[in-house]
Amino acid sequence: DVVMTQSPLSLPVTLGQPASISCRSSQSLVASDGSTYLNWFHQRPGQSPRRLIYKVSNRESGVPERFSGTGSGTDFTLKISSVEAEDVGVYYCMQGTHWPPFTFGPGTKVDIK
Amino acid sequence: QVQLVESGGGVVQPGRSLRLSCAASGFTFSNFGLHWVRQAPGKGLEWVAAISYDGDEKYYGDSVKGRFAISRDTSKNTLYLQMSSLREEDTAMYYCAKDSKYGDLGFDYWGQGTLVIVSS
Repeated sequence: DVVMTQSPLSLPVTLGQPASISCRSSQSLVASDGSTYLNWFHQRPGQSPRRLIYKVSNRESGVPERFSGTGSGTDFTLKISSVEAEDVGVYYCMQGTHWPPFTFGPGTKVDIK
Repeated sequence: QVQLVESGGGVVQPGRSLRLSCAASGFTFSNFGLHWVRQAPGKGLEWVAAISYDGDEKYYGDSVKGRFAISRDTSKNTLYLQMSSLREEDTAMYYCAKDSKYGDLGFDYWGQGTLVIVSS
């Protein structure tokens, strides 16, 4: 199974400042069709996860432009250009390229300093 | 709008069975694969099972293989998870999730979850 790791696991942020989360996979996420199936989810306290990004860098509909995804192969990054209060919670990366199983990173908890 | 509403959770003793349901609306149910994902209290997300759009293909995570069964009923627009031989480590919030509308390998909508507690 593909193992997903994230860093940092905890990220205190200042409102209005940028934030960045790293995600790494134990093997390349480039699929045989050439696509890279790397997703990012955000889970607010007490809520279900919401997808932010799919295929590395595509924002889901309704996701603010301050969220962006980059990366390739085994290294990926989620960036928030200017953190807002509603961005607190846990962020997970998830790979779909080598499913089953789909595998998630351990999560990065973002809170306000 | 897409809605996924889980039900059926509760407190159950180890070794017993429980069936979860996920009622879907707002999309063409028979066109999309569906998944169960769980989250133990205070822990991360774990993919549990998947079923293809037509119900012909089913996949399971290693931790539930042979004990859980995923199914769907198109006439009721409902996804199910039959859980047997439950263990304390199966205690978790169980979410149903829908295959992405973009055809990528990811989940674009999630339900609010139903809590399963396995305890004597």
